[in-house]
Amino acid sequence: QVQLVQSGAEVKKPGSSVRVSCKASGGTDSTYAVNWVRQAPGQGLEWMGNIVPIIGTPDYAQNFEGRVTITADESTLTSYLEVSSLRSQDTAMYYCARDRSGPDSDAFDFWGQGTLVTVSS
Amino acid sequence: EIVLTQSPGTLSLSPGERAALSCRTSQRVSSSYLAWYQQRPGQAPRLLIFATSTRASGIPDRFSGSGSGTDFTLTISRLEPEDSAVYYCQQYDRSPRTFGQGTTVEIK
Repeated sequence: QVQLVQSGAEVKKPGSSVRVSCKASGGTDSTYAVNWVRQAPGQGLEWMGNIVPIIGTPDYAQNFEGRVTITADESTLTSYLEVSSLRSQDTAMYYCARDRSGPDSDAFDFWGQGTLVTVSS
Repeated sequence: EIVLTQSPGTLSLSPGERAALSCRTSQRVSSSYLAWYQQRPGQAPRLLIFATSTRASGIPDRFSGSGSGTDFTLTISRLEPEDSAVYYCQQYDRSPRTFGQGTTVEIK
């Protein structure tokens, strides 16, 4: 069974950066895209971008381009999301999610447990 | 960017009733690239339906999807208490992959 395990909750100061990791295991490989989805408290889901580890070139939503960096380590099947210049509006749960089939675009069949990032002075 | 608009915002129904959730897209979306997710409080979203009408693994057959073009529907044929959740549609036809704002289903 595929599992995506994310790193733990973070508390950050405004203006700093945060890096969240997502490690995949159990019957997946580097041809599947890993997506990052943000959910602010009480709000809906917002796609931030994704990466196919074997290809390595991320695709970003325009809202996040320039402040978000998505990378992947093909050897460990770990994807990383880095958000810089944090502000209070970045306080949210961040999820990673795997495409159902790779590498063409597909729905998200497996999700990480979520990482809560709190930005507060 | 393709905008997805879901309606109604909230649906309050009794167990055993039928729920119909609408998702309208601002541009035509291929039927192969429309999905529905369920999110219960405090949990990550769960894939229910992909390619408009194909149930994901382990999803009960009371969940069904239909539609084409710009108009899509998720139907829950016989509501059960555990169906209380927020439901999101998503298009993955074109980047950015966008979600609707969600429909909350409450079970009376």
